[in-house]
Amino acid sequence: GAVVSQHPSRVICKSGTSVKIECRSLDFQATTMFWYRQFPKQSLMLMATSNEGSKATYEQGVEKDKFLINHASLTLSTLTVTSAHPEDSSFYICSARDQAFAFFGQGTRLTVV
Amino acid sequence: GENVEQHPSTLSVQEGDSAVIKCTYSDSASNYFPWYKQELGKRPQLIIDIRSNVGEKKDQRIAVTLNKTAKHFSLHITETQPEDSAVYFCAASTAAGNKLTFGGGTRVLVKP
Repeated sequence: GAVVSQHPSRVICKSGTSVKIECRSLDFQATTMFWYRQFPKQSLMLMATSNEGSKATYEQGVEKDKFLINHASLTLSTLTVTSAHPEDSSFYICSARDQAFAFFGQGTRLTVV
Repeated sequence: GENVEQHPSTLSVQEGDSAVIKCTYSDSASNYFPWYKQELGKRPQLIIDIRSNVGEKKDQRIAVTLNKTAKHFSLHITETQPEDSAVYFCAASTAAGNKLTFGGGTRVLVKP
């Protein structure tokens, strides 16, 4: 089956710094990747849709200048949380589309202190 | 946009009993309805899905029903086991592989 790898799985950063999260499709090419955020004991909320070679499409209420998404190749999308604050602490999960199905990465637990 | 409501938010059942989780959606363009099981700190795992051209689908102890007219779908787990304890999410999408709108989740506890 298709494998999506997300890195790092866990990161702690200081308030004001930036953090980059990578999402890789290991055995397929993904023209589309999705980024979700999940706060503790809550549901997954779509942040943005990332398309290879073009600008990401952000959901309403998501700050595109704060959550920078780059999808420079068919196997890699990155999410950079800029100037992170404690309220950005969350579980970030990507999913990558392989033809007619999307597969989740293992998620990144971000803690901003 | 799409809005998915899920009930109940918590569900406690005795081992061996059945568990039912219900979801409603708002967008008539939605045609794909997956169900995910998520354990603490892990990625959601797809357990079953259904497309709008099908009214019911079953996989061993798990079944899903869809009423497209009423815009609701349900997950049924029979003969529950302690390892079924987890958080379950329903979701809706216009097609498999497209962006998902998730329900709020149901925390299921199966008591031995």
